[in-house]
Amino acid sequence: DTGVSQDPRHKITKRGQNVTFRCDPISEHNRLYWYRQTLGQGPEFLTYFQNEAQLEKSRLLSDRFSAERPKGSFSTLEIQRTEQGDSAMYLCASSFTESNQPQHFGDGTRLSIL
Amino acid sequence: DAKTTQPTSMDCAEGRAANLPCNHSTISGNEYVYWYRQIHSQGPQYIIHGLKNNETNEMASLIITEDRKSSTLILPHATLRDTAVYYCIVRVNTGNQFYFGTGTSLTVIP
Repeated sequence: DTGVSQDPRHKITKRGQNVTFRCDPISEHNRLYWYRQTLGQGPEFLTYFQNEAQLEKSRLLSDRFSAERPKGSFSTLEIQRTEQGDSAMYLCASSFTESNQPQHFGDGTRLSIL
Repeated sequence: DAKTTQPTSMDCAEGRAANLPCNHSTISGNEYVYWYRQIHSQGPQYIIHGLKNNETNEMASLIITEDRKSSTLILPHATLRDTAVYYCIVRVNTGNQFYFGTGTSLTVIP
């Protein structure tokens, strides 16, 4: 399967802990996106990369959220000092560079904060 | 500021065509319409997209009105596996994010 891969699928942690999620995009795709989805809502955009450059990060929810894509391949999303409200599904997507190309999504990491 | 409007829920009989409407009256000339669906506990699955011409692929057909203010996704022969939330999206013309909204929950009834 050469789709978008996310790890872990589920993460349970205590409030105040740091968590990191990994996304492996489709290998030919230059762009990588992170979204958050809460129950009953559609995915909400957080940030995106063009190769290793983070081109949009104003939608990251707070300064506790950060993302990297150091070599332009896989990406990580880190949440520091987790809070109850961070419980959600975190989705990664990738696409080709051309603006009309569709994004292809992974199955997400479900985060639960105790 | 929602870019699209969809009915909250719809039912469709198995084997019949499912027609899912979407209004996007403020769409700009260079913005594409995309459709995704999401089955519980999975990521959104890309279905189809178009600019102004009707499009068809192995999953569905997309009909876009001439004024581009609305579109319809057609699943020609709905099956139980088509039960999902369907999102109609117009790409925001600043940046590259998709704005998903809350979509239409389609239930295919046996």
